[in-house]
Amino acid sequence: NAGVTQTPKFQVLKTGQSMTLQCAQDMNHNSMYWYRQDPGMGLRLIYYSASEGTTDKGEVPNGYNVSRLNKREFSLRLESAAPSQTSVYFCASSRGEGGGANVLTFGAGSRLTVL
Amino acid sequence: RKEVEQDPGPFNVPEGATVAFNCTYSNSASQSFFWYRQDCRKEPKLLMSVYSSGNEDGRFTAQLNRASQYISLLIRDSKLSDSATYLCVVPLGGGGNKLTFGTGTQLKVEL
Repeated sequence: NAGVTQTPKFQVLKTGQSMTLQCAQDMNHNSMYWYRQDPGMGLRLIYYSASEGTTDKGEVPNGYNVSRLNKREFSLRLESAAPSQTSVYFCASSRGEGGGANVLTFGAGSRLTVL
Repeated sequence: RKEVEQDPGPFNVPEGATVAFNCTYSNSASQSFFWYRQDCRKEPKLLMSVYSSGNEDGRFTAQLNRASQYISLLIRDSKLSDSATYLCVVPLGGGGNKLTFGTGTQLKVEL
């Protein structure tokens, strides 16, 4: 029972490099999310996708792009990484409707360091 | 006022103690609330949902005070394994897709 799977778990980038964080869920959830977590800041929403085919900005979208590839997969891309994007990134999913619509299931996290 | 505020702690309590955390929120239209638990260097995991009538699950009780716009989490008979950071989660606006997390309250249960 995999739940939400994120890759890679760790990544070190140089300033200006690009990379894509991958996320997949096997719970048939409608909604998917990308958060970043920094010390003292809590989790902040970067982008979310309420359903397949839609994406919306969250609290801190600048410097990121997302793609909801299909119902299972939601990727986060950093086009030109900056040191300020050093963080732990969490992907999450939720049913998005019905009972427990907003209950989030998280992936294990991706630790990104930008030098 | 921040959208969701929590006392960061740490709360250091002896095993067996009762401890309570509060979380205040600014959006009076918020309908459903959650407490998540996060262990060090791990992902957050749902602890409890909080509904109008409150919620109890074993040693954990969550309550909602709409008038004062806060939710609370009470832990009775604390165990060493309860040591973690407790995150308050509140939906933004009228919809449920944007969930705002508090910065978390750290609990350390000691022998």
